[in-house]
Amino acid sequence: NTVMTQSPTSMFISVGDRVTMNCKASQNVGTNVDWYQQKTGQSPKLLIYGASNRYTGVPDRFTGSGSGTDFTLTISNMQAEDLAVYYCLQYNYNWTFGGGTKLELK
Amino acid sequence: QVQLQQSGAELAKPGSSVKISCKASGYTFTSYYISWIKQTTGQGLEYIGYINTGSGGTNYNEKFKGKATLTVDKSSSTAFMQLSSLTPDDSAVYYCASPIAALAYWGQGTLVTVSS
Repeated sequence: NTVMTQSPTSMFISVGDRVTMNCKASQNVGTNVDWYQQKTGQSPKLLIYGASNRYTGVPDRFTGSGSGTDFTLTISNMQAEDLAVYYCLQYNYNWTFGGGTKLELK
Repeated sequence: QVQLQQSGAELAKPGSSVKISCKASGYTFTSYYISWIKQTTGQGLEYIGYINTGSGGTNYNEKFKGKATLTVDKSSSTAFMQLSSLTPDDSAVYYCASPIAALAYWGQGTLVTVSS
């Protein structure tokens, strides 16, 4: 099984911050990684697919990067509406989600 | 617009089965595969598997083989997931989503509670 390890598990941030979170795969998954945002009480929403492709309608402050085993999601100018849990998903070897990174206000 | 509407919450006894539905609208049903995902507080998100809505072919993550059975009814544009031999560990919110990866469309989730 391919394990996806997300870090940090939580972050305390301020509006306007630049936020970077990571996802590390236990083996090479190419660029077969998505990022999802889940707000409290809602279903997850697709942000990034194929490691770096922003999904339709996703603000350009969200950027995905990486390949192989190391992936990053960056929010360039954090907004209050971005408070959520963020998950990565690899689909190169079956499918595995990371454990999530929770963004909270300082 | 694409919508996936799931059936309501279920309360089930250990050892029993439940069948959750996911009704698709807003697109040609057989255009997209449908995936199923489990979410618990302790285990986070787990991908169960997917079904080819055209052929009925399925692919399951190893952990869920024998636990989940995916089917479709093309006439009603509905996908189903049956969970069998329920235990308290099966208590979770279950989502349908589409397609296989780049899961752009999600249902609202169905809460399954297993309790005697």
